[in-house]
Amino acid sequence: GAVVSQHPSRVICKSGTSVKIECRSLDFQATTMFWYRQFPKQSLMLMATSNEGSKATYEQGVEKDKFLINHASLTLSTLTVTSAHPEDSSFYICSAPGTHEQETQYFGPGTRLLVL
Amino acid sequence: DAKTTQPPSMDCAEGRAANLPCNHSTISGNEYVYWYRQIHSQGPQYIIHGLKNNETNEMASLIITEDRKSSTLILPHATLRDTAVYYCIVRVEYGNKLVFGAGTILRVKS
Repeated sequence: GAVVSQHPSRVICKSGTSVKIECRSLDFQATTMFWYRQFPKQSLMLMATSNEGSKATYEQGVEKDKFLINHASLTLSTLTVTSAHPEDSSFYICSAPGTHEQETQYFGPGTRLLVL
Repeated sequence: DAKTTQPPSMDCAEGRAANLPCNHSTISGNEYVYWYRQIHSQGPQYIIHGLKNNETNEMASLIITEDRKSSTLILPHATLRDTAVYYCIVRVEYGNKLVFGAGTILRVKS
């Protein structure tokens, strides 16, 4: 099946700095990608829909100025956590739908962010 | 998308079949039932999906009731590596976002 990668797999940063997470579809094109956040022992929470060539769509309660999303190409979406704080520490996961009708979504391996 | 209800946790003996139930009583006619699982600290993995008919693949079987208000995911011979959180999700169409519920923690024990 299709593969989605994320980079980095884990990152530690100081409070107040910005962190960029990349999500790539490796062998298929994705005009849409999704970003999720998962806190310990909780389910995945959808943050936003990344749209190639246009603005991202954010879920209610997610600050668009804090979580900047850029979908610059058909295989790459980036999530930048700006001015990170300890409460932003979480597991960030992206996904992309397959190219065939009714095909499933493919998830990246996730990025573990720790803000000190 | 319709909401789903799953038991919070289940235990299964290694080598036995694991049957994971899911209720989706408000499912619409054009909504599919999807199953994913998430092993600790990894991204979710697709298992199977279906609309009306029962489905089977190399990983599992999906049994959907005739009224489509519930379904059961069957892992025919559970192994320790099947220990994970299993999510049942209903959604309308290809490409649409997935909304995850709490899922079922399946613990396979030797």
